[in-house]
Order: sequence, then C-alpha cells, then structure tokens
Amino acid sequence: DAGVIQSPRHEVTEMGQEVTLRCKPISGHDYLFWYRQTMMRGLELLIYFNNNVPIDDSGMPEDRFSAKMPNASFSTLKIQPSEPRDSAVYFCASSLAADKTEAFFGQGTRLTVV
Amino acid sequence: DQQVKQNSPSLSVQEGRISILNCDYTNSMFDYFLWYKKYPAEGPTFLISISSIKDKNEDGRFTVFLNKSAKHLSLHIVPSQPGDSAVYFCAALVQGGSEKLVFGKGTKLTVNP
Repeated sequence: DAGVIQSPRHEVTEMGQEVTLRCKPISGHDYLFWYRQTMMRGLELLIYFNNNVPIDDSGMPEDRFSAKMPNASFSTLKIQPSEPRDSAVYFCASSLAADKTEAFFGQGTRLTVV
Repeated sequence: DQQVKQNSPSLSVQEGRISILNCDYTNSMFDYFLWYKKYPAEGPTFLISISSIKDKNEDGRFTVFLNKSAKHLSLHIVPSQPGDSAVYFCAALVQGGSEKLVFGKGTKLTVNP
C-alpha cells in the first residue's frame, strides 16, 4: 500500500478563496483523522471519522471549515472562505479499528493563505 | 489548555550520547502514550508506545519511561545518531474512550556528528 496520500502537497491561495484538501486513507483502515500543525499550537485534531461517519468535529475551528468522507477511500477538508490565519500544514491520518492507537500519517498539505 | 506538554522546543546532543526527550500530561484518564517522529516535509511516523500498565518499553535504541504518579514520560535514544535529528511528538489517548490522540507541540532534536 502506498500509505496515506494527500493532495495537493502545497497550496497557495488568496484570502477569501475556497480551499479543498484531499486525502486517500490506507485501504482497510476504519478511522480517518484530519490534523493541523502550527508553530503555536502544534498538532491539533480537527475532526475524525469512523467508517465514513464523522465522530468528533469539536476541533474544527470555525464554520468556515468542513470535512466530508463520501466513501472509505476519500475525504476532503474544505475551508471557505480562507483566511491568512488558516496557513498551516494539514495532515490526514488513518488507522485500523483493531489498532487505532497507531495512526499512519500522510505527508501533509502546506497551505499558505495570502 | 494543553493536556500534553513538551516544554523543550529543541534539544541538541552529540552523536553517540543519550538523547532524553520529556513529556508531561495533565489528564489522568490518559492510559496509552505514543511517540511520533517527524522529518521535514513528511508526516509524523509512529516510533514507540507504552501502556499505562507498564513503566518501561524498549525497542532497540529507543526506550520510553512512564511515571504515572508524576504524569511524566520520557523517550531515551541511546546512542543518538545524526539520522535521529527530527521533531519528536509525544501523544496520549484514553483507550476505549474518544479515540482522540492528543499531541504535544513537539521537540526538535538535533544530533551533531
């Protein structure tokens, strides 16, 4: 398996624009997590899914953020409208239900909002 | 409110010496702890973990120690190698609970040749 695949790797957008980050989890993994990494706050969990169902979105900072998982092999994190303070590295991770303590991370998307 | 704290943002050691990375937590419900390693431009990768029923777990050059009474854990790397230079994240969760991994802010380790 190629691991967790995220796209794009880098995204530069103007303030006010919509941004969509994409994630393909490892096949067979039941859990999918979206994290955001910043210098100030480190790695923060934004939302996670179990079997495509959102379980906990309490980490989503504002209504401008939304995430979907239409099927077991794809998830999106959308920011609309984007703001400069959203600039960060966004990671997607997935794990097996049987061993959910070990999450496998993608390479991340570095988002810059100017 | 940081439930998992890594108070040293950076650490520098000489090759061959021991690296000790520290982590404190405030939530007494945490019962499983993990260390992740992150190289630049890559996602974090799992390194080693420990359950709260243990106080030590060893894997090659890496050993994690857990002191539940002090709500403290540490990662020891010995001997340290230049390839160990990375950011190390401590994480914790409540098994059978919300399944949420709570991360610290990370410690950047530099191992000098």
